[in-house]
Amino acid sequence: GENVEQHPSTLSVQEGDSAVIKCTYSDSASNYFPWYKQELGKGPQLIIDIRSNVGEKKDQRIAVTLNKTAKHFSLHITETQPEDSAVYFCAAYSNNDMRFGAGTRLTVKP
Amino acid sequence: DAEITQSPRHKITETGRQVTLACHQTWNHNNMFWYRQDLGHGLRLIHYSYGVQDTNKGEVSDGYSVSRSNTEDLPLTLESAASSQTSVYFCASSDRVGGAAGELFFGEGSRLTVL
Repeated sequence: GENVEQHPSTLSVQEGDSAVIKCTYSDSASNYFPWYKQELGKGPQLIIDIRSNVGEKKDQRIAVTLNKTAKHFSLHITETQPEDSAVYFCAAYSNNDMRFGAGTRLTVKP
Repeated sequence: DAEITQSPRHKITETGRQVTLACHQTWNHNNMFWYRQDLGHGLRLIHYSYGVQDTNKGEVSDGYSVSRSNTEDLPLTLESAASSQTSVYFCASSDRVGGAAGELFFGEGSRLTVL
């Protein structure tokens, strides 16, 4: 089955700086790559996703890039704000199976 | 507003007891999922359902069961709770057509402790 690895496990940045979280996947048939944000005590919420026919997608301060050849995808957050502090999960979908990375705890210091 | 709710939010039980976690969604989504969340493992799929009377095993289904008698509910049962099942459990739903990928809508989680 699919295996998703996510790095780093923790990330601390200064407010206003950029943050990058990287994920790799193993199944070349994976075709959908969402990113979820989980705030303390809440369930994960989708923040952005990308499909395998697209290389990059942006939504205001967040962007996702996908390199199918290398089987990795990344989340980029620019101009970070304290409210961006949360746990972020990447995931890869293939054949009715969505596998999640282990998560990255992002802390944005004011 | 449509929503997905889980109950109980917190539960402590003893080894060997049967436990049922409830999940109710009002979006009329066909697809419902149960995940467990553990440090270092992210979210792992336990069971899922693509419609009434349909249930499927996920990555970590041993010791768990689900039933789908209507569109709104997918209860998760631990037949004989074990300490290894101490975790935070999340229910999710989606309206994606079976086999297609799309947004998962998660509940707020149920924290289960098995002593």
